[in-house]
Amino acid sequence: NAGVTQTPKFQVLKTGQSMTLQCAQDMNHEYMSWYRQDPGMGLRLIHYSVGAGITDQGEVPNGYNVSRSTTEDFPLRLLSAAPSQTSVYFCASKEQNRGLRTEAFFGQGTRLTVV
Amino acid sequence: TQLLEQSPQFLSIQEGENLTVYCNSSSVFSSLQWYRQEPGEGPVLLVTVVTGGEVKKLKRLTFQFGDARKDSSLHITAAQTGDTGLYLCAGAMGSGNTPLVFGKGTRLSVIA
Repeated sequence: NAGVTQTPKFQVLKTGQSMTLQCAQDMNHEYMSWYRQDPGMGLRLIHYSVGAGITDQGEVPNGYNVSRSTTEDFPLRLLSAAPSQTSVYFCASKEQNRGLRTEAFFGQGTRLTVV
Repeated sequence: TQLLEQSPQFLSIQEGENLTVYCNSSSVFSSLQWYRQEPGEGPVLLVTVVTGGEVKKLKRLTFQFGDARKDSSLHITAAQTGDTGLYLCAGAMGSGNTPLVFGKGTRLSVIA
């Protein structure tokens, strides 16, 4: 019963470093997304994907890249980390074309600190 | 601009009290979901409402979707300490394939 798995759970980066946050799901969901959660800001959408080879920008995409080469994986890349990217990052997946009551499943999050 | 406004942002009550959390928008949503998030975990779905005026009950929790599908409320009866957490409303404006838009959340603390 893995569901959505995010790695790492915690990460500290120096300004300017790059890294990839991993997200994998074993539910064969076509739809996957990345959110960041900051105090008092709720969850804000960074990027999302409706299937392998298809990605689109969300509300706050700047500074982040994504790719979707397989149904299972949806990595999020920080190209040059900045202190403003200090946040908790959540990956979510859901079934596609299953109507309006579709549940989104979230990973446990990656807590990223950029110093 | 926040599409979904939640209120209150923080709520601290005694065990046994009732409370209502609101989620409001000027936009129409196809569906609205309520999630609950515990510290160190991702949000977990509580309920989805899709029809204007729809009411759903989950034990002591009652969820309502406004007639115009622009707002929703979550009412908890006789709150328990186990209800403590962050409650998030999330809306979809199109089909089930469109991204979810989240409110900022209501942090509930129930004190024994």
